[in-house]
Amino acid sequence: SQTIHQWPATLVQPVGSPLSLECTVEGTSNPNLYWYRQAAGRGLQLLFYSVGIGQISSEVPQNLSASRPQDRQFILSSKKLLLSDSGFYLCAWTDLYGYTFGSGTRLTVV
Amino acid sequence: KNQVEQSPQSLIILEGKNCTLQCNYTVSPFSNLRWYKQDTGRGPVSLTIMTFSENTKSNGRYTATLDADTKQSSLHITASQLSDSASYICVVSGTGGSYIPTFGRGTSLIVHP
Repeated sequence: SQTIHQWPATLVQPVGSPLSLECTVEGTSNPNLYWYRQAAGRGLQLLFYSVGIGQISSEVPQNLSASRPQDRQFILSSKKLLLSDSGFYLCAWTDLYGYTFGSGTRLTVV
Repeated sequence: KNQVEQSPQSLIILEGKNCTLQCNYTVSPFSNLRWYKQDTGRGPVSLTIMTFSENTKSNGRYTATLDADTKQSSLHITASQLSDSASYICVVSGTGGSYIPTFGRGTSLIVHP
């Protein structure tokens, strides 16, 4: 069966520090992968999606970046975090019928 | 522009009561509609999925309906429990090779004892 792993679950980082969130998928090949951010009380905002290794599409201009070094690995990064980067980050992959989400990472930038 | 509108934005009910959440969409051409439950601090978990030809789907105490003609869906929760307190998100996918579905902003449900 397909599973998706996302870590860490929570993270507190100072302003200006780098960020690396990792997501891996098991049980499928060549998945479409996504990074979403969810601010408190808000809907899901698509940040990046990838349809293959090295293929990244950005939906929202910001100081975040994404990479897909392997077929089932998706990484969200930042060189210097801003206070506004705080939020709940979700990784997801899709099959024909919809999304499966990771458990999320709560990022607090202080 | 594809849109998914959910109502109400928030809802408070007493344990044991029933409730219905609404989802209206403009996504076209339509492929499928999913309802997700998201507990606070967790990732969304799929409850039901419906394609164009389906008009009702049940998952335990959750029953989703779909009217593809009016582009409306509802999620009915029967005999609510405290554990039903969560955000419920409607997600609509179109056809035509788009990789990105359209998300509603969710309905926040609070079940009080």
